[in-house]
Amino acid sequence: GQQVMQIPQYQHVQEGEDFTTYCNSSTTLSNIQWYKQRPGGHPVFLIQLVKSGEVKKQKRLTFQFGEAKKNSSLHITATQTTDVGTYFCAGGTALNFGKGTSLLVTP
Amino acid sequence: DGGITQSPKYLFRKEGQNVTLSCEQNLNHDAMYWYRQDPGQGLRLIYYSQIVNDFQKGDIAEGYSVSREKKESFPLTVTSAQKNPTAFYLCASSPLTSFFTDTQYFGPGTRLTVL
Repeated sequence: GQQVMQIPQYQHVQEGEDFTTYCNSSTTLSNIQWYKQRPGGHPVFLIQLVKSGEVKKQKRLTFQFGEAKKNSSLHITATQTTDVGTYFCAGGTALNFGKGTSLLVTP
Repeated sequence: DGGITQSPKYLFRKEGQNVTLSCEQNLNHDAMYWYRQDPGQGLRLIYYSQIVNDFQKGDIAEGYSVSREKKESFPLTVTSAQKNPTAFYLCASSPLTSFFTDTQYFGPGTRLTVL
């Protein structure tokens, strides 16, 4: 199936710093979804991108889908301690999940 | 209160025993899924079902079995044939407007430990 690679695996930032996680696929994706999983919790849907070059914003979160529909990114501006968790991308017809980026934010 | 419930939250079993994990949803979703999550790993698909009395194997179905006798329920049995069953198991559901590309709603998960 389609492989979805996600980097970095871990990121530790000071509160107020920005954060970006990247999702890459060797093949064109029909769509990309992003989920957030808080420590000890379950994945919660954040957003879905479908169109080439699409950019969507949710408050401090900006999601992008690449022009070739092979990559995507999630950018958080001015992180807060509430942003702590693991962010997963999932894409393609079988919704293959990346391994996630674990974000730690220290005050 | 709509949603997906999984029970129990924590489950301990002895090696060699079969164990069944419960998943119930009242969202009227057609599709249901089972994933396995290991530390530092993404979610790996075990089984999925698009309709009652029908289900398909995912990427790691060996050692697992499922049933879908009711739309609301999709129990997962971890058999003794599963070599490394200790993991966090997540159930999800989605409407079937566009299979697999719909938003998936996850249950709270069951953490299974085999001693």
